[in-house]
Amino acid sequence: DTEVTQTPKHLVMGMTNKKSLKCEQHMGHRAMYWYKQKAKKPPELMFVYSYEKLSINESVPSRFSPECPNSSLLNLHLHALQPEDSALYLCASSQIGLGQETQYFGPGTRLLVL
Amino acid sequence: GENVEQHPSTLSVQEGDSAVIKCTYSDSASNYFPWYKQELGKRPQLIIDIRSNVGEKKDQRIAVTLNKTAKHFSLHITETQPEDSAVYFCAASSSGSARQLTFGSGTQLTVLP
Repeated sequence: DTEVTQTPKHLVMGMTNKKSLKCEQHMGHRAMYWYKQKAKKPPELMFVYSYEKLSINESVPSRFSPECPNSSLLNLHLHALQPEDSALYLCASSQIGLGQETQYFGPGTRLLVL
Repeated sequence: GENVEQHPSTLSVQEGDSAVIKCTYSDSASNYFPWYKQELGKRPQLIIDIRSNVGEKKDQRIAVTLNKTAKHFSLHITETQPEDSAVYFCAASSSGSARQLTFGSGTQLTVLP
């Protein structure tokens, strides 16, 4: 399996809701990433997990809570989001090591916060 | 931290012509430079990458050149086709246990038939 999958594809939530985004890969990659992408903008890094441990948190508000239950799964828990959080949320994975840096992206979850 | 600038923001070419997109980076420690293509509503897909120990890399109609001294790298697409139309992002990263990619702002390439 050479793909990163994400569910759901689309999500609409109110500002008081709690929801979760899910990402899965079976390529044996030990680094996983969450990015946020607004329309016509580049992906913006949110979190990096390395060997299932959070290694980078790019000053993301606490209403976004990442979780890496195992080496194949990455979740992003959402709570009390704001309308400006509406965006495409992309997951990516990569191997760790020199010459193995390629990040493979999932199809994303398109989130709308009302 | 790293800063990556990308130009132009939009580029229109006739089918069959070449397209060139340029990026500059600020951190001399950066040593990995991928290029991603993102079609409307789709995921970014890696099209080519280059590491700092190489000056040029080619894959069929796509080539990337790197000038470490000047801290810039470029994407060259020859014999463009309508299906090359997309947004292209350059990125840079330095060594680490997990790569932190810094993306350029993107180039909307339109290939006119």
